[in-house]
Amino acid sequence: DTAVSQTPKYLVTQMGNDKSIKCEQNLGHDTMYWYKQDSKKFLKIMFSYNNKELIINETVPNRFSPKSPDKAHLNLHINSLELGDSAVYFCASSQDQVGPGANVLTFGAGSRLTVL
Amino acid sequence: KNQVEQSPQSLIILEGKNCTLQCNYTVSPFSNLRWYKQDTGRGPVSLTIMTFSENTKSNGRYTATLDADTKQSSLHITASQLSDSASYICVVTEANDYKLSFGAGTTVTVRA
Repeated sequence: DTAVSQTPKYLVTQMGNDKSIKCEQNLGHDTMYWYKQDSKKFLKIMFSYNNKELIINETVPNRFSPKSPDKAHLNLHINSLELGDSAVYFCASSQDQVGPGANVLTFGAGSRLTVL
Repeated sequence: KNQVEQSPQSLIILEGKNCTLQCNYTVSPFSNLRWYKQDTGRGPVSLTIMTFSENTKSNGRYTATLDADTKQSSLHITASQLSDSASYICVVTEANDYKLSFGAGTTVTVRA
């Protein structure tokens, strides 16, 4: 069973469109994250959710909105897509929000978004 | 300025050879340092974790070292295999709020 699964794996779309990426974890973890990995392979945190509450919101455009229907799911919605949004987006989860278990991240396989 | 710097950015080695990757950090106060391996098209997977009191830790052919005084870590790959081709990412945890700082990664290519 896949611990952290995200869909779709690939997404190609036009500028201005709205798209969503879904993420589910079956590890029973309390915290879920979205990371963006740019062309230089640098991972940058976008959001994290702990028990359905947003606890980190780095300086990302408000076109990006995380939505968590329950502890096991954290979806990423992107409105009015721009060329610069092209990247690989990784979902991750961890047992804790803070403490030693906070940095034991389990990542999904990534979703490659290409905006044309 | 990024608090975690990795070098080299990329390297190519022949199968069976050894290599060493470097990670320098300025994160303070320090909690722990973790090395992740990211295969192409996959998410990062944890290899090792080093706490303040640990100098070296091995995971099969991977050996990580930590010098908390100089704030440096290395990841040594012994007898490389084709499957070692991947990006290796250094992640440092801050002790106060457990915030993670990521390095940009080192891309290793192992050739037959």
